[in-house]
Amino acid sequence: TQLLEQSPQFLSIQEGENLTVYCNSSSVFSSLQWYRQEPGEGPVLLVTVVTGGEVKKLKRLTFQFGDARKDSSLHITAAQPGDTGLYLCAGTLSSGSARQLTFGSGTQLTVLP
Amino acid sequence: NAGVTQTPKFRVLKTGQSMTLLCAQDMNHEYMYWYRQDPGMGLRLIHYSVGEGTTAKGEVPDGYNVSRLKKQNFLLGLESAAPSQTSVYFCASVRSSNWPSSNYGYTFGSGTRLTVV
Repeated sequence: TQLLEQSPQFLSIQEGENLTVYCNSSSVFSSLQWYRQEPGEGPVLLVTVVTGGEVKKLKRLTFQFGDARKDSSLHITAAQPGDTGLYLCAGTLSSGSARQLTFGSGTQLTVLP
Repeated sequence: NAGVTQTPKFRVLKTGQSMTLLCAQDMNHEYMYWYRQDPGMGLRLIHYSVGEGTTAKGEVPDGYNVSRLKKQNFLLGLESAAPSQTSVYFCASVRSSNWPSSNYGYTFGSGTRLTVV
């Protein structure tokens, strides 16, 4: 069982549509991060959220950390083909050490032109 | 460019062979990690290090060993490769002093694709 459950696992949409990816857990996290990974490359950090209820925007991407710090969402407005990739959420447990990140299984997003 | 460099990028091993994956970072980061990525399972932590000369086990350490003799390098060894170790391996590093802040985030290498036949 994954500590961080991501949904959906796969998402295929048309250019211009909006979408939301969810990351849920029963555990409390000190911080939550979102990464994007392209084929043949390592994950690249998009954002880190550390405060419950925090909302961050990165151009057309909006990230939210749940009030209880157990969940997070990524919303993309007017998706573009360049948004295609594997989106990974990752969290640092409040009780964890060495700042270990626990990853969700990822959401594979395909944006069709 | 500053970052995390992994070598080799690709490798095919026969069952029972050994090899070492190399990770080097030039950002003076304290913490370093080795993950493996398998389809549908995200990234799973193999071993990690919080400083030169220190290592610890992660979620899936069996069959792997690590060493961190220098701050900038983190080595992952497979003593006797098995087909179950076919995977993509990622090294990552982070500056510990950025914790806890919105600046905290891992820098990953581009990965090593390992196939054990």
